Amino acid sequence: ELKVEQNPLFLSMQEGKNYTIYCNYSTTSDRLYWYRQDPGKSLESLFVLLSNGAVKQEGRLMASLDTKARLSTLHITAAVHDLSATYFCAGGRGSQGNLIFGKGTKLSVKP
Amino acid sequence: AAGVIQSPRHLIKEKRETATLKCYPIPRHDTVYWYQQGPGQDPQFLISFYEKMQSDKGSIPDRFSAQQFSDYHSELNMSSLELGDSALYFCASSLIPGGPDTQYFGPGTRLTVL
Repeated sequence: ELKVEQNPLFLSMQEGKNYTIYCNYSTTSDRLYWYRQDPGKSLESLFVLLSNGAVKQEGRLMASLDTKARLSTLHITAAVHDLSATYFCAGGRGSQGNLIFGKGTKLSVKP
Repeated sequence: AAGVIQSPRHLIKEKRETATLKCYPIPRHDTVYWYQQGPGQDPQFLISFYEKMQSDKGSIPDRFSAQQFSDYHSELNMSSLELGDSALYFCASSLIPGGPDTQYFGPGTRLTVL
């Protein structure tokens, strides 16, 4: 059974600083997703990572995948207040389309 | 671009009542997923459909049922509602189950059971 663990669960950052959110998963996962969720809102897709060594970047966010270590990271560069949200990683496996989510990282960026 | 549509957006019910949630996937998406997200929790997979057939089942209570219709929209039927059913219910759609494409989430239905 696929299990996904994120850390930290809470992250308070100052604007302009860098930080990394970690996502470990327990068994082989074909694909790893990162989503952003604002309070009470939907989940917005950020990245889909499909292969070992995959790296994707969008603005101040960069995601990577190491399938051998069963680890994905979401790196935040020079944080700004607008990045405050909860970030979820989720794994998918085989022909089963459903996603298994981590507990989420609640990010708060302060001036 | 067209997104996933869910209705209603908000729903208030009493205990033991029934509720029906609707989901209209992105055009050409054959696969629909339902997730439940409790307050402060991560989304939990309930059930999915591909080409109008149930494709996978998660932690969906026996009191809940769902189906996908010929136009690919899906409905989640919930009976004998309990206080613990209060949550955000998301529908997501993708092109094929288990594929490399993104699952796109709808805006959610906030269900409150009193």
